[in-house]
Amino acid sequence: AQSVTQLDSHVSVSEGTPVLLRCNYSSSYSPSLFWYVQHPNKGLQLLLKYTSAATLVKGINGFEAEFKKSETSFHLTKPSAHMSDAAEYFCVVSNSSSNTGKLIFGQGTTLQVKP
Amino acid sequence: DVKVTQSSRYLVKRTGEKVFLECVQDMDHENMFWYRQDPGLGLRLIYFSYDVKMKEKGDIPEGYSVSREKKERFSLILESASTNQTSMYLCASGGGQREVILPTYEQYFGPGTRLTVT
Repeated sequence: AQSVTQLDSHVSVSEGTPVLLRCNYSSSYSPSLFWYVQHPNKGLQLLLKYTSAATLVKGINGFEAEFKKSETSFHLTKPSAHMSDAAEYFCVVSNSSSNTGKLIFGQGTTLQVKP
Repeated sequence: DVKVTQSSRYLVKRTGEKVFLECVQDMDHENMFWYRQDPGLGLRLIYFSYDVKMKEKGDIPEGYSVSREKKERFSLILESASTNQTSMYLCASGGGQREVILPTYEQYFGPGTRLTVT
């Protein structure tokens, strides 16, 4: 069975400092992994995705994530936080052995960016 | 750009009412999904559909039903609304079995409907 764990429910950083949002996954098969962002009162927007190509994945708004199979991790990083990055972030795993396209969501990490 | 639209942003209904939430996507996706989002619980899958007239239960289907008569439209129905169904409801669509390229399964989300049942 697939599962995903976001290790921090809340992360607070100062503007201009690095961002690290941690995610560990469990999957019996070769997973597809995603990070989504949700700004207040909005739907979810895809930040980036990993689908067994390059292990370092670059996304929108300067975010990137590295797939580490040995650590079963897919942490999200950004070198310098911006106030507009304040939002909730979801790490998501898909079971690539299934053709139904179901996704499994982590509980979410709220990112606070202080001026 | 992929567009997923939901019929209402905010909805207030009374206990016992029948509620329809509609979702439309314009990308010819085969898969469509309904989630509810609650603080501290993340997103939970209610129902999904991988083809017209096909549906499968997700993790929390009780109290809900769905309808998919056309490929682009997926409706969520609350047969008799209850206060514990007050939540944010998110619709999403994604690729499907007919993708020629290795399917990536990303889903595209609508803006959400915040439903309050009083």
